[in-house]
Amino acid sequence: RKEVEQDPGPFNVPEGATVAFNCTYSNSASQSFFWYRQDCRKEPKLLMSVYSSGNEDGRFTAQLNRASQYISLLIRDSKLSDSATYLCVVNRRGLNDMRFGAGTRLTVKP
Amino acid sequence: DVKVTQSSRYLVKRTGEKVFLECVQDMDHENMFWYRQDPGLGLRLIYFSYDVKMKEKGDIPEGYSVSREKKERFSLILESASTNQTSMYLCASSWTSGYNEQFFGPGTRLTVL
Repeated sequence: RKEVEQDPGPFNVPEGATVAFNCTYSNSASQSFFWYRQDCRKEPKLLMSVYSSGNEDGRFTAQLNRASQYISLLIRDSKLSDSATYLCVVNRRGLNDMRFGAGTRLTVKP
Repeated sequence: DVKVTQSSRYLVKRTGEKVFLECVQDMDHENMFWYRQDPGLGLRLIYFSYDVKMKEKGDIPEGYSVSREKKERFSLILESASTNQTSMYLCASSWTSGYNEQFFGPGTRLTVL
């Protein structure tokens, strides 16, 4: 089993749609969780951290379910500019040893 | 503004050549990382370093070595390049304590012929 698993997609949604991605992780001791965004032919960049209580940043909401060992990302009112690959990131051992999922590709269409 | 730079965007080498990929960060980060990214496999950690002259193996260190002689610079070395090392190589850096976001360089697309 992979340490961090994501549905690769692609998710093709119309503008204005709400879309959700899930990511499962295998290490129950993981403490740090993130979503990164990677545009085509670009480097990954942090989108948001995922806190135990869940957190929201504008149209983006991230949640953590420790019991089931998954994190989620919800994007509301999708924009064309949201088209990218979304990477789930979980720490393995120590706060700085991160593992990346293979990513979920999102395409938002007009 | 945090900046992580990599020595080349594109590199073409021949099988058996020794290849050096260099990464420099300007944020005084303690940690530096080398990943490779392949379609369907995502980012896989090759090596990381949490201090000068310190290194730890990641998930796929075979065929690679690293060097960190200065805090700002982390080099990835392919001792004898092989075709299965054709990939996108990404360098990243982060602080040790507190908020440990990783900042990535633009990547080096290495092709081994």
